[in-house]
Amino acid sequence: GAVVSQHPSWVICKSGTSVKIECRSLDFQATTMFWYRQFPKQSLMLMATSNEGSKATYEQGVEKDKFLINHASLTLSTLTVTSAHPEDSSFYICSARRWERRGELFFGEGSRLTVL
Amino acid sequence: GENVEQHPSTLSVQEGDSAVIKCTYSDSASNYFPWYKQELGKRPQLIIDIRSNVGEKKDQRIAVTLNKTAKHFSLHITETQPEDSAVYFCAASAQTSGSRLTFGEGTQLTVNP
Repeated sequence: GAVVSQHPSWVICKSGTSVKIECRSLDFQATTMFWYRQFPKQSLMLMATSNEGSKATYEQGVEKDKFLINHASLTLSTLTVTSAHPEDSSFYICSARRWERRGELFFGEGSRLTVL
Repeated sequence: GENVEQHPSTLSVQEGDSAVIKCTYSDSASNYFPWYKQELGKRPQLIIDIRSNVGEKKDQRIAVTLNKTAKHFSLHITETQPEDSAVYFCAASAQTSGSRLTFGEGTQLTVNP
């Protein structure tokens, strides 16, 4: 089946630093990827839609300058959490849409960010 | 935008019993309704999905029903097993929204041996 790989799976950083999370579609091309954030025991909240070769579309309330998204190729999207603070600690999950599989979404393994 | 509500938030059943999780959605344009199973600390896994042109779909012990008129859909798991214990999320999307998925709040299912 389709594989979406996310890296790193765990990251701990100091407050004020920036962290980059990568999302790769390993065996298919993804023109559209989605970034979600999930707090403990809560649902997945869509942060932004990443479109290859164009600017990401952010959901209401998500700061685009804080969560930088780059989708430079058909297999890679990155999320950079800039000037991270403890309240940014969360589980970040990407997903990629595979059109030849009827648009089914495939999720990455997730990245757990802890900001000290 | 779309709003998806999911009930119950927790569900505990005995092994072998059936489990039913229900969701409602608000956007009449929604036409794709997947269900995901998420184990602690892991990625959501698609277990079944249904599109608006059918009312029911079944895959072994799992079935999903859709009522477009009432805007609700349900997940049915029969002959539950302890390994079915996880958090289950329903979701909905519409072509008009760029196929963005809106998730329900999740249901923690516990199957007791």
